[in-house]
Amino acid sequence: QQQVKQSPQSLIVQKGGISIINCAYENTAFDYFPWYQQFPGKGPALLIAIRPDVSEKKEGRFTISFNKSAKQFSLHIMDSQPGDSATYFCAAKLGSGNTGKLIFGQGTTLQVKP
Amino acid sequence: GAVVSQHPSWVICKSGTSVKIECRSLDFQATTMFWYRQFPKQSLMLMATSNEGSKATYEQGVEKDKFLINHASLTLSTLTVTSAHPEDSSFYICSARGRTGTSGLNEQFFGPGTRLTVL
Repeated sequence: QQQVKQSPQSLIVQKGGISIINCAYENTAFDYFPWYQQFPGKGPALLIAIRPDVSEKKEGRFTISFNKSAKQFSLHIMDSQPGDSATYFCAAKLGSGNTGKLIFGQGTTLQVKP
Repeated sequence: GAVVSQHPSWVICKSGTSVKIECRSLDFQATTMFWYRQFPKQSLMLMATSNEGSKATYEQGVEKDKFLINHASLTLSTLTVTSAHPEDSSFYICSARGRTGTSGLNEQFFGPGTRLTVL
């Protein structure tokens, strides 16, 4: 019930294309859903996040779509660039306020071909 | 965004020695800090959560006596791997949560990680 399932495991997209990564969860107690980008040998960097009372959030080329009834959320990267090649993790926060912890998806390795 | 630093960025040690990793929140007060472990091509695994001034809460299966965590101040947490063995070799990442200038309490910021190799 605490799991967050992420797909696909890997993704290859042409430059300028749209990258789509999906995540699904079971626990309705999750109250915050961030996406992180991680380059090899580096720590994850927060990309964008959404709360369950919002269906979509857009920041630049990155958009989160959130479907509360289906318990699914996805990251869309528009106009994908080679510099976007990285591993992306979705996460969900369990527990209220400052004490909650993040449950991470398995990760998606994105390769954007020039 | 807020900045979290880690030191050292990499360390090589002999089996049986102890290694200390520092994690600092540079421009905000971290009321809660987290320590993760990540194996190659895998996701982040939460090891423990610590709040300033109180004992860390360890995840199931994580040895408290092996991975000592101290959250001495609102800007510093340390992870000490005691009597390290080759199987402890991994990428250790700290993370901090607290109220920054622009973020709410949900946002969690990660350090750059520490690569530990135990020979």
